[in-house]
Amino acid sequence: KAGVTQTPRYLIKTRGQQVTLSCSPISGHRSVSWYQQTPGQGLQFLFEYFSETQRNKGNFPGRFSGRQFSNSRSEMNVSTLELGDSALYLCASSLYSYYGYTFGSGTRLTVV
Amino acid sequence: GQQVMQIPQYQHVQEGEDFTTYCNSSTTLSNIQWYKQRPGGHPVFLIQLVKSGEVKKQKRLTFQFGEAKKNSSLHITATQTTDVGTYFCAGRGGGSQGNLIFGKGTKLSVKP
Repeated sequence: KAGVTQTPRYLIKTRGQQVTLSCSPISGHRSVSWYQQTPGQGLQFLFEYFSETQRNKGNFPGRFSGRQFSNSRSEMNVSTLELGDSALYLCASSLYSYYGYTFGSGTRLTVV
Repeated sequence: GQQVMQIPQYQHVQEGEDFTTYCNSSTTLSNIQWYKQRPGGHPVFLIQLVKSGEVKKQKRLTFQFGEAKKNSSLHITATQTTDVGTYFCAGRGGGSQGNLIFGKGTKLSVKP
């Protein structure tokens, strides 16, 4: 079966712009989580969605938001981009939130 | 908030030597998961431990969950070059619906 699909793979944005990243989970998976990965901070939890409801949220500013649609696809949005937002953004899905995650290949965001 | 510490940060071994990475949580965990990320890749789920004192094996890999459910370890016997990558532990606190918090990982390099 198809894995977790994230689009786009690469993105270059200018400071102050906003960006929307997309994630299509494995078919049947209802839990979708987002992580930010940087060399210095590692994998940091952004948020988790289950059946269109945000179940958990990490310690990120309000500029970071997300949502999940009825087909379990998820999007995350970052407004007013800052240089420090440059990172690999990973989406992960699982059948239920307490199962192991399957990660997508990520979206590499560069803010200039 | 919940923190997951992982040591060592880096480990360089000669092929055939053993390798161990340790994970410690500031709070009791409901479960712990282990992932492997190859260079340039995304994290891949290895295993989940749920029970206090649980030990699981996958070929040359042995995973342990501490009695107090606050620490865990991954031991690789007789490393091979294919074991190269970063190994992450990820702990879930606050019950089965808590956040999954990742340690910063141990980067393993194997010299042939």
